Amino acid sequence: ILNVEQSPQSLHVQEGDSTNFTCSFPSSNFYALHWYRWETAKSPEALFVMTLNGDEKKKGRISATLNTKEGYSYLYIKGSQPEDSATYLCASNTGTASKLTFGTGTRLQVTL
Amino acid sequence: NAGVTQTPKFRVLKTGQSMTLLCAQDMNHEYMYWYRQDPGMGLRLIHYSVGEGTTAKGEVPDGYNVSRLKKQNFLLGLESAAPSQTSVYFCASSSPGRGYNEQFFGPGTRLTVL
Repeated sequence: ILNVEQSPQSLHVQEGDSTNFTCSFPSSNFYALHWYRWETAKSPEALFVMTLNGDEKKKGRISATLNTKEGYSYLYIKGSQPEDSATYLCASNTGTASKLTFGTGTRLQVTL
Repeated sequence: NAGVTQTPKFRVLKTGQSMTLLCAQDMNHEYMYWYRQDPGMGLRLIHYSVGEGTTAKGEVPDGYNVSRLKKQNFLLGLESAAPSQTSVYFCASSSPGRGYNEQFFGPGTRLTVL
């Protein structure tokens, strides 16, 4: 994998559903993996940064895991709420600490 | 702290016109970045700077120039705007010693080139 790839591109769930998205990134020369939350008409805000294989981070109902050997990360949202509606971006600074390569994001819409 | 600010928020240009977008940060960050965001393309890096007086090309630098004369400011210039440069532009900054280069973003500038 040469680029950072995210799937699915978009997701529509109902309130209370749990959901997860995938981020794939180059596993060689790995440095760190970032997740950002990006609400419409706002700017991206950092959720997590993970560096170690097997890392798991949690913030409220949102959690993320990291597999650096195979080059993927999962973001989980438990019991989705309408306020979780946003685009979730992942980014990797594989190979160089000074730059991030972003995926195209997963757009989540949570309805009542 | 204001964080990262961008000026202007919106702008409409005619093809061939020039303009400069200003990014300012008050967090004493070393690194600053300019991205463009287009539908289905995610954030693409235009240029970046790892310190005052230094700049480097990103993924899509053609048609843009940048300057970092002061640590807190990063300017993005379009010398001769083209319709392909219609986009939303985001500035970001980060510190190399914090959060593995966790980046803080400005509110964006929506640019339309007619």
